[in-house]
Amino acid sequence: DQQVKQNSPSLSVQEGRISILNCDYTNSMFDYFLWYKKYPAEGPTFLISISSIKDKNEDGRFTVFLNKSAKHLSLHIVPSQPGDSAVYFCAARLTNDYKLSFGAGTTVTVRA
Amino acid sequence: DSGVTQTPKHLITATGQRVTLRCSPRSGDLSVYWYQQSLDQGLQFLIQYYNGEERAKGNILERFSAQQFPDLHSELNLSSLELGDSALYFCASSAGLAGAEQYFGPGTRLTVT
Repeated sequence: DQQVKQNSPSLSVQEGRISILNCDYTNSMFDYFLWYKKYPAEGPTFLISISSIKDKNEDGRFTVFLNKSAKHLSLHIVPSQPGDSAVYFCAARLTNDYKLSFGAGTTVTVRA
Repeated sequence: DSGVTQTPKHLITATGQRVTLRCSPRSGDLSVYWYQQSLDQGLQFLIQYYNGEERAKGNILERFSAQQFPDLHSELNLSSLELGDSALYFCASSAGLAGAEQYFGPGTRLTVT
């Protein structure tokens, strides 16, 4: 059962522009959301997170927005750089649970 | 480098065989998680150990088992392998019991022929 969904398998963006990645979830009991970045032949790397009590968290070029009423979160990367080309996974955690539920990932390609 | 190590990087074996994947967590981390990533799919949680004890189970097949040793390294045992078990297997670790920010190893790519 896919409780976390990333409906766009890929995204292509020009260098310097904004990348917007979207993620939808179905379980209103999720209390913590994370974005991971994955390069080929490497494991996922933690990027940024947000608690369900917030609606925005910013870290340098990365900002995550959470819309609880819509059960939707997004990751904004501004400006996009060639090194941002990777697969991005959205993940969510249930209150007092130990595991993360992951989306299928979005492959971002930043064009020079 | 996340500090989590996994061996081997690649494993090719035949159907019906048994394999063991190994994971060493980051120094000081007590929780170890195992995930499976099949082709074009997200990571599926398999099982979690915390300080040697099993704490959470996901969609882990009965043919699969895991354990965490006193030195905190963990092993995932896969037996009676089937073609559909071919996947990337990731290990992650976190400091606490319910660590949301998990640190992943590079994965083991298992190919069952």
